[in-house]
Amino acid sequence: DAGVTQSPTHLIKTRGQHVTLRCSPISGHKSVSWYQQVLGQGPQFIFQYYEKEERGRGNFPDRFSARQFPNYSSELNVNALLLGDSALYLCASSLASGGGRDEQFFGPGTRLTVL
Amino acid sequence: GEDVEQSLFLSVREGDSSVINCTYTDSSSTYLYWYKQEPGAGLQLLTYIFSNMDMKQDQRLTVLLNKKDKHLSLRIADTQTGDSAIYFCAERDRSSASKIIFGSGTRLSIRP
Repeated sequence: DAGVTQSPTHLIKTRGQHVTLRCSPISGHKSVSWYQQVLGQGPQFIFQYYEKEERGRGNFPDRFSARQFPNYSSELNVNALLLGDSALYLCASSLASGGGRDEQFFGPGTRLTVL
Repeated sequence: GEDVEQSLFLSVREGDSSVINCTYTDSSSTYLYWYKQEPGAGLQLLTYIFSNMDMKQDQRLTVLLNKKDKHLSLRIADTQTGDSAIYFCAERDRSSASKIIFGSGTRLSIRP
């Protein structure tokens, strides 16, 4: 069975540009969460979507947005890129909307470099 | 706000036990987790513990929870070279069930 897939694997952008990152959850999973992992730090929660609705949002500026499609895949969009947006962006899928035993399965991430 | 702290590095000899420690601030956390991240890979959930438990054992892994001191530890018995990775302690955010708060990670290296 395919795990969580993310595309692209690597991406280089320049300041001021925008970027779209994509995630396909495990089949049957309805929830997708996005995390930003800056080098040397732990992942920081950005968004969670469940059944196409936003269920949680982390402390990120409005330049960050996301959406979930009817097939439960998701896109993360970042506008007006800053150097500090350079990071590994991780997508995680789970069966339900949350709760301790609702295990999140992580994809390999998209490495974004902003020059 | 919630915060999770852990030491940055740990070096152990192959075959010895590794103990990775973590402290957290949210005393109402219901679930605490240990994740493993290998180079170029995503995060893998190793184990979790519910807050009403003191200990959980799963093969070579033992998790100890001290709620009074808000201290969580992960013990890996008979550490192998394949255990080299970054280990993240994490807690479920009490205000948003969808949010997991991660520590900065402990890099475990294995000496021959």
